[in-house]
Amino acid sequence: AQSVTQLGSHVSVSEGALVLLRCNYSSSVPPYLFWYVQYPNQGLQLLLKYTSAATLVKGINGFEAEFKKSETSFHLTKPSAHMSDAAEYFCAVSAAGGFKTIFGAGTRLFVKA
Amino acid sequence: EADIYQTPRYLVIGTGKKITLECSQTMGHDKMYWYQQDPGMELHLIHYSYGVNSTEKGDLSSESTVSRIRTEHFPLTLESARPSHTSQYLCASSDHGMRAGELFFGEGSRLTVL
Repeated sequence: AQSVTQLGSHVSVSEGALVLLRCNYSSSVPPYLFWYVQYPNQGLQLLLKYTSAATLVKGINGFEAEFKKSETSFHLTKPSAHMSDAAEYFCAVSAAGGFKTIFGAGTRLFVKA
Repeated sequence: EADIYQTPRYLVIGTGKKITLECSQTMGHDKMYWYQQDPGMELHLIHYSYGVNSTEKGDLSSESTVSRIRTEHFPLTLESARPSHTSQYLCASSDHGMRAGELFFGEGSRLTVL
């Protein structure tokens, strides 16, 4: 069985500050891990994914995430927040080679000027 | 930019009406999905399809039905809508190989049942 827990339903940062969105997963098989972003009134868009290659994964828009097996974590970071980063972010897990994806409840990121 | 389209984007209807939410993709993906999304909640998989003539129920029980007669088309139907069906419905598709597991989403259909 697989599950995802996103810590914090809302995160607020100042423009230019570090962004850190937390995600912990549970999986009985080697996981694929994903971060998706959703802007208002739009569908989800893939930011990055981990598929058992490099543990530090770089994605679009300057985001990256590090897979830590010992901590069962896959936190999303960006060194410097921009106003355009304000959106909802979803962490997700699927079994390697599988296709049913389980999503976390999402974290809404607010960026203050 | 993903080539997956959902119509209508917004729909307000009365209780008891039959509705169909359309979803089409031009990427040739075999796998397609319907997710239900409510504010502050995780996305719940309600239907999926491996390919033509294949449909399965997802993890969240839903009174809706789906069909997959053509690879590119995966409509969702509610025979008799109720206020409890009010939600956002997201259609997605996925490929195999290098991009296995990646979901391509449409922009969603927001349904309100009065």
